[in-house]
Amino acid sequence: NAGVTQTPKFRILKIGQSMTLQCTQDMNHNYMYWYRQDPGMGLKLIYYSVGAGITDKGEVPNGYNVSRSTTEDFPLRLELAAPSQTSVYFCASKRPGQGETQYFGPGTRLLVL
Amino acid sequence: GQNIDQPTEMTATEGAIVQINCTYQTSGFNGLFWYQQHAGEAPTFLSYNVLDGLEEKGRFSSFLSRSKGYSYLLLKELQMKDSASYLCAVLDYKLSFGAGTTVTVRA
Repeated sequence: NAGVTQTPKFRILKIGQSMTLQCTQDMNHNYMYWYRQDPGMGLKLIYYSVGAGITDKGEVPNGYNVSRSTTEDFPLRLELAAPSQTSVYFCASKRPGQGETQYFGPGTRLLVL
Repeated sequence: GQNIDQPTEMTATEGAIVQINCTYQTSGFNGLFWYQQHAGEAPTFLSYNVLDGLEEKGRFSSFLSRSKGYSYLLLKELQMKDSASYLCAVLDYKLSFGAGTTVTVRA
């Protein structure tokens, strides 16, 4: 199992550009999540999904969009990049059940200039 | 809303013991997780507590008191590889993370 994979590892964007951060998991997990991590701020939930075709907003959804057409994939879309979106983005997945841990991907480092 | 507090930094010597405290105020509670995150890497699972008491896993132990809104992670026999950030996370309908405690282990 590869677990949770994310691409790209690092990207520099200009203000106003758009991009899609890819996330794929091969563990057949229903639940998937997108977080951003800013220095000293902890992880903040952007969007989550409890299964294919179902997505919902997290704590900081503004400026982002997601889709979940398959169990495996959960891409995150930035439409008009802003400097405030400079961050490290982590995708995670888990099985149903409150005691189940989330498994995190390696992260995408995004710099918006 | 959620309010999760943990110290920003701690330093300890190799072979010693360090205790990382986490206090929380949350609207709901379905358990508390601890994660380890090495610099530049993803968080990895350490422990989950949902009932009061101590859970021991090798060199790492985690304690929970729901009535006090308090947890700690105890790292024993510290090794250099334990230098990392330790994240406290509380679950209600979603997981909310503290800012993390950076532990530096000195030789």
